Order: sequence, then C-alpha cells, then structure tokens
Amino acid sequence: EAQVTQNPRYLITVTGKKLTVTCSQNMNHEYMSWYRQDPGLGLRQIYYSMNVEVTDKGDVPEGYKVSRKEKRNFPLILESPSPNQTSLYFCASKRISSSGANVLTFGAGSRLTVL
Amino acid sequence: DQQVKQNSPSLSVQEGRISILNCDYTNSMFDYFLWYKKYPAEGPTFLISISSIKDKNEDGRFTVFLNKSAKHLSLHIVPSQPGDSAVYFCAASPQTGANNLFFGTGTRLTVIP
Repeated sequence: EAQVTQNPRYLITVTGKKLTVTCSQNMNHEYMSWYRQDPGLGLRQIYYSMNVEVTDKGDVPEGYKVSRKEKRNFPLILESPSPNQTSLYFCASKRISSSGANVLTFGAGSRLTVL
Repeated sequence: DQQVKQNSPSLSVQEGRISILNCDYTNSMFDYFLWYKKYPAEGPTFLISISSIKDKNEDGRFTVFLNKSAKHLSLHIVPSQPGDSAVYFCAASPQTGANNLFFGTGTRLTVIP
C-alpha cells in the first residue's frame, strides 16, 4: 500500500529536550515536505526537499531542522523544542496528477506537546 | 496573511441533501486548486482538484466549481452521506511542480443521519 509513515504519533516532551520525528514514504517520490497544523491557521509548510541532499525552508522554518540522506526518509528535528512548537505535524510526499496538480500524500500526523 | 480562506468553520447538513463548502483566495497566480478531506487521527487525503483553465470538475458525488473572476471555489457533495463527515481543506498551488500548497483553515462538515 502506498503510504507515508511518521513516528511517533504522539509525544509529550519538555522544553529544550531534542527530539526527532521520523518520516518514510514508499512511493519513490522525489519531493517531501513537513507541515504543521494549528487552530485557525490551517496547514503551514515548515521545510521541503526536492530530492536527496536538497532541502529548503518553507513558511515557518524557525526552530526546525531536516535532513534528506535517502530518498524515502525525511526526518524533522527539533534541536531545542519550545512550547510554541506544540502542534500537529504532518509529513507529505508529492506526485503530479495527470492534470498537472501537485497532489500531496500525507502521513497520519504526529501530535507533539512541549511543556 | 492567509492566501486561501475558508470562512465557515463548520457546516451541518442532513443526509441526502447537498453540502456546499466554500473557499476564497487572493493570489491570481494560483494555477491549481485542490480539496482534501481529513478524518480525526488521520492525515488529510486528496479528494479532487481543478485547473485554473476549467470552471468545473466532477468526480462521482463530488464537484468542484471555480469562479476565477471572484477568486472563489466551492465543493459540492451530492448526496451527502454520514461518512462524509470530516474536516475539508481547500488548497491552492501556483503551478505544476511548485514547492508549496497553500491551505485554508478547514471547514468541519457534519452530515446528520
């Protein structure tokens, strides 16, 4: 089954304790990205990657790092989490539909709480 | 500033009736528009898209209408079913291969049996 898998699904941590949210896709997509969802703000892009070793900032990159060493994996790293990073995070990979639309396939989400 | 807006946070509809979800955008450079559906504890899933060169796209019970002059699109679900109860996100993309989709804040649809 084509899917994006992210872990952990739920995490409660404390300010300053480094954490990594893993993301893996099995569709051989070149493009992957991370979004966060916050009430009243919709989904906002954090970082994206066009291919292996190619990453770039999205709209809200502050406080996050990413890496893309393999095509299938795109981990999100919070070096020193802060309470304002409490959010619901989604990893996604992209394909182009037959009509030319950018279609994202999302993971199930990772709910992070930073105390 | 939100480039894609969904002004109705929620909508309730009787089973069998039509559901109409609305979305407005500000950027005239958007080339593609998409609708995603999200169930609790799951990621958003792609539902239907429309290119800016079209004004209507239909897929089964789902139809998306685009009014470029008004910068407005809508998703029609006919007939609505209880399983359609979910949060619906509108999204827009500048062009094929663009690096970002711009999402609205979502509308929670409840279909009452």
